[in-house]
Amino acid sequence: GAVVSQHPSRVICKSGTSVKIECRSLDFQATTMFWYRQFPKQSLMLMATSNEGSKATYEQGVEKDKFLINHASLTLSTLTVTSAHPEDSSFYICSGRTSNQPQHFGDGTRLSIL
Amino acid sequence: GQQLNQSPQSMFIQEGEDVSMNCTSSSIFNTWLWYKQDPGEGPVLLIALYKAGELTSNGRLTAQFGITRKDSFLNISASIPSDVGIYFCAGQLGQGAQKLVFGQGTRLTINP
Repeated sequence: GAVVSQHPSRVICKSGTSVKIECRSLDFQATTMFWYRQFPKQSLMLMATSNEGSKATYEQGVEKDKFLINHASLTLSTLTVTSAHPEDSSFYICSGRTSNQPQHFGDGTRLSIL
Repeated sequence: GQQLNQSPQSMFIQEGEDVSMNCTSSSIFNTWLWYKQDPGEGPVLLIALYKAGELTSNGRLTAQFGITRKDSFLNISASIPSDVGIYFCAGQLGQGAQKLVFGQGTRLTINP
C-alpha cells in the first residue's frame, strides 16, 4: 500500500520551455503532497507543501511563480517548472501523505534543461 | 531551522557485516522515520517510530527512537548486496506538523 507514482521519470528539454511533472497517489488519498528537489550526493530539499484545494506553501527561497504547484484532487498534484533554464536541472521528487501516516515518495523525475 | 546530524556519511563494509548509523538533533521530534534511496529513485520508507524509547524491527533492520526524542539509530544485521544505497533519517515535529527534517544521508557500500 501507499504507492506514489510520478511521471515522467526523465525529461530533457530546451531552455525556455515549461515542464509539467505529475504526482499521483495510487492507493490512498493524499491530503497533503510535498515537492522536493535533490542535487547530486545531497539530501532532499523541501520546495513546497500543498494541501488539496489550497494554495501551496513554498519554502523560503523557492520562487512560486517559477515552480507552479496545483493540487486539484486528493490523488494528483502537479509541479510546473516555468521557463526552465539549465540551473533548474535537478532531480525532483514528490511525496504524499494522509493524516497521521508517514510520507511516501514517488520515484522522482530527472529534469535536464539544455 | 532544525537540522539533523546523521553519521557516518559513508560506510564501506564486507558482505555479512552488521551496520549501524544514527541521527541526532538539537530539537525534539515526535516521529522518526528511516528511508532508503537507491540511485535514480525516490526514498522508500523502512521504519517509522512514534514513541520515545520505541524499538522496531523490519526484517534485518532495527531502529530505535531515543528516549530524549532527540536521536534515533538504525541497525542492519548480516548485510547483503541489495542493502547498498543511501539511508536517510527524517524527523517530524508532531502529528499535526507535516514537514520532515532530513539528515544528510549515509551512503552504504558493500564489498562482496
